[in-house]
Formats: sequence, C-alpha cells, structure tokens
Amino acid sequence: QKEVEQNSGPLSVPEGAIASLNCTYSDRGSQSFFWYRQYSGKSPELIMFIYSNGDKEDGRFTAQLNKASQYVSLLIRDSQPSDSATYLCALPGGNEKLTFGTGTRLTIIP
Amino acid sequence: DAGVTQSPTHLIKTRGQQVTLRCSPKSGHDTVSWYQQALGQGPQFIFQYYEEEERQRGNFPDRFSGHQFPNYSSELNVNALLLGDSALYLCASSLQPTRQPQHFGDGTRLSIL
Repeated sequence: QKEVEQNSGPLSVPEGAIASLNCTYSDRGSQSFFWYRQYSGKSPELIMFIYSNGDKEDGRFTAQLNKASQYVSLLIRDSQPSDSATYLCALPGGNEKLTFGTGTRLTIIP
Repeated sequence: DAGVTQSPTHLIKTRGQQVTLRCSPKSGHDTVSWYQQALGQGPQFIFQYYEEEERQRGNFPDRFSGHQFPNYSSELNVNALLLGDSALYLCASSLQPTRQPQHFGDGTRLSIL
C-alpha cells in the first residue's frame, strides 16, 4: 500500500467556485502534512502546512487534517485561473524526508 | 537572500553515460535532499546529505551517488544512465534540527536518448 494517495484528476472547477483536493495516508503516527503547488515544468512550491487536527486557513486556502480518518484536504476558495496547477500532498518522515502523493491536476475554467 | 539554485537547468545524455547535477542550498541551510520526479508522478526521495555524509537513502540503486561539500552545496551523480532515468531532478534544502518544510530549487530536466 502506498503511503500517500491522491486522486490524479484532472479536476475541473469553474472560476470563483471552491476546489477541494484530498489526500489519504497509511501511517497513523503521521503528525504533519504539507501541500505543494507545482506549475507545469516548474518545481514544487509550498503553499500550506498543517501539524494539528482541524482546520488551518491562509487567505483563500484552507487545509484540513483528520487523523482519525487519516486524510488531509486542501480547499481553495474563489478559485482563479492562476490556481490551475498540480497539487502535491507530502508527508514528512524521519529527518524531514518527504513522501509525496502522485499529485492532483487542477484546472480552473474561466 | 538566494534560494536553492540548481545547475544545469536542462541536460541531454545518451544511455550508458554519466551525469553530475549540482545544487546550492538556500542561505543558512545545512541539509540537502535530492528527489527524482518522473512525468506525471510525485517526487521520489533519492537521498539526503547532512554534515557531508549521506544520512538517509530512498529506494534507488547504487548508480545514484552524491556528495556534500563543506559549504553545504551538493552534487548528484548518476552512472550508466538508463532511459528510465529521464526525469526532473529536484534539490531541496533545510536547516537541522527543524520541522520547517524544505525549499525546492527549480530542478534539472534530464533527458536520456
């Protein structure tokens, strides 16, 4: 079983709507998660990290962590065309080694 | 404040050749991690260097080796290149000990013909 799983998409969302991205993980001991955004041909860019159960909001982005159900999600409110990218969920392990999901490709439709 | 820098940006090699990729960490960072990202996949951890030693390694063959220099910069070497080594190679840096996320460089796109 993969440690981190994501739906590869593509996920299409109308401009102005809420985009919801999900990630499940297998290690019950995992304490923190990162969300990276990656534009085509570019490197991953950190957009959110969450260490505790519940929600964390930063501007239009909200990360949600549910340790009991072993999933983490990212909500993007008021989606913009510039949000079109691949979103990677990452699980930090020992010595901050990151285990990534395969990424979800998001397209915002104007 | 310079971020993580990688060179070269693009590289084309043929099967069987050897390649060296370079990475300078973000100013103040002392740990360098290397990742391989195949098309359509998430990055896969290759190895991590700290205090000039390989501290942790992912599931990659011995053809992949590395080095860290006293100034914290790092090299990734790949020998006997295979077609399957074509990928984006990413370098990430961080500061120990910390739980802060790693910062990635722009990557080196390696194409094997």
